[in-house]
Amino acid sequence: EVQLLESGGGLVQPGGSVRLSCAASGFTFSSYGMNWVRQAPGKGLEWVSGISGSGGSTYCADSVKGRFTISRDNSKNTLYLQMNSLRAEDTAVYYCAKMVFGVVFGYMDVWGKGTTVTVSS
Amino acid sequence: EIVLTQSPATLSLSPGERATLSCRASQSVNSYLAWYQQKPGQAPRLLIYDASNRATGIPARFSGSGSGTDFTLTISSLEPEDFAVYYCQQRSNWITFGQGTRLEIK
Repeated sequence: EVQLLESGGGLVQPGGSVRLSCAASGFTFSSYGMNWVRQAPGKGLEWVSGISGSGGSTYCADSVKGRFTISRDNSKNTLYLQMNSLRAEDTAVYYCAKMVFGVVFGYMDVWGKGTTVTVSS
Repeated sequence: EIVLTQSPATLSLSPGERATLSCRASQSVNSYLAWYQQKPGQAPRLLIYDASNRATGIPARFSGSGSGTDFTLTISSLEPEDFAVYYCQQRSNWITFGQGTRLEIK
């Protein structure tokens, strides 16, 4: 069964850092682009960051550029999101998602259950 | 950035009725558009990709149409489990989502 399981969320102070992880199973992880998508409380979906299957290409939304870094370890089938200089507006459920066709900018056919990041003092 | 505008914001219908949801792009996205369904407390689920292709396991009552800037998701006969929030997403130029349409029971 194809599965994604996020972890690492929690309560973080403004200006703080946290690293999210997403453990993948049931598919050839290195063959697929992966993305992080977030959803603020009561709001819609926002694409955050994406990475190619090899990890050689990465992309970030303007709202997080310079603060968030996406990476992956294909030997561990794990995706990461390093989040620095956190702000209240980064409070959200963070989902990792697998791309349908392997490319970074595509469609997301498998999603994790999400991990919640709350930025508050 | 390509902005996707969904309408209506809320749609109130009864089971068995036909639902028509709209997504309009600020510039052409060709056919690079998907639709997702999200229920409370759950992750989104891919329904339609490339404007009109059903994803694996999606019932035939869900269909998508359109190209360029105007797209439609149609649910031919609503089942109780279809009441949820629906999002469109484009992949023509990076990735953006619409703001969502809430489909509620009338």
